[in-house]
Amino acid sequence: KQEVTQIPAALSVPEGENLVLNCSFTDSAIYNLQWFRQDPGKGLTSLLLIQSSQREQTSGRLNASLDKSSGRSTLYIAASQPGDSATYLCAVVATDSWGKFQFGAGTQVVVTP
Amino acid sequence: EAGVTQFPSHSVIEKGQTVTLRCDPISGHDNLYWYRRVMGKEIKFLLHFVKESKQDESGMPNNRFLAERTGGTYSTLKVQPAELEDSGVYFCASSQDLYTQYFGPGTRLTVL
Repeated sequence: KQEVTQIPAALSVPEGENLVLNCSFTDSAIYNLQWFRQDPGKGLTSLLLIQSSQREQTSGRLNASLDKSSGRSTLYIAASQPGDSATYLCAVVATDSWGKFQFGAGTQVVVTP
Repeated sequence: EAGVTQFPSHSVIEKGQTVTLRCDPISGHDNLYWYRRVMGKEIKFLLHFVKESKQDESGMPNNRFLAERTGGTYSTLKVQPAELEDSGVYFCASSQDLYTQYFGPGTRLTVL
């Protein structure tokens, strides 16, 4: 049974510091891994999607890596800003799951000015 | 293009009452998913429709939950009778290609 774990559960950093968020999963038979952002009272916003054959994806200040063999993904956010404050969720899609996401519990990030 | 919409945004009901949540997917998306997040836990899958058919309902917690998708368009999720542990945020997502899902804003359900 796939389990997705995110560490740390919460993180507070001063503005300008780089953020490193970790996600681990127990079953490497995944189709893809996706990082989402959730703001309070809002839905989920997709940040980066990494296919199982890829090692990383980048978008602006965001970079996500995937090491399928060790069951790990890391989301890096460079030069954090107060607007980056949100909950970040990692989710995997297993290869035989018809697109069903398995989510981690999330990392709550606060960036202080 | 309109995104996934959910109604209501927030519902407060008494234990034992019935509540119906609605999800309108992006037009043309055959795949519709329901997820929920109860307090302190991760978001969990409830079920998956392909058009009007239930492809996977392995995440439905018990028979108090009934999901339908009329004509393969919008979907409803009914909880009857609601219990305290049903409180949480219910998300709907839709996709065209199975693996790129677009999420709605969620419905926050509070059972008193």
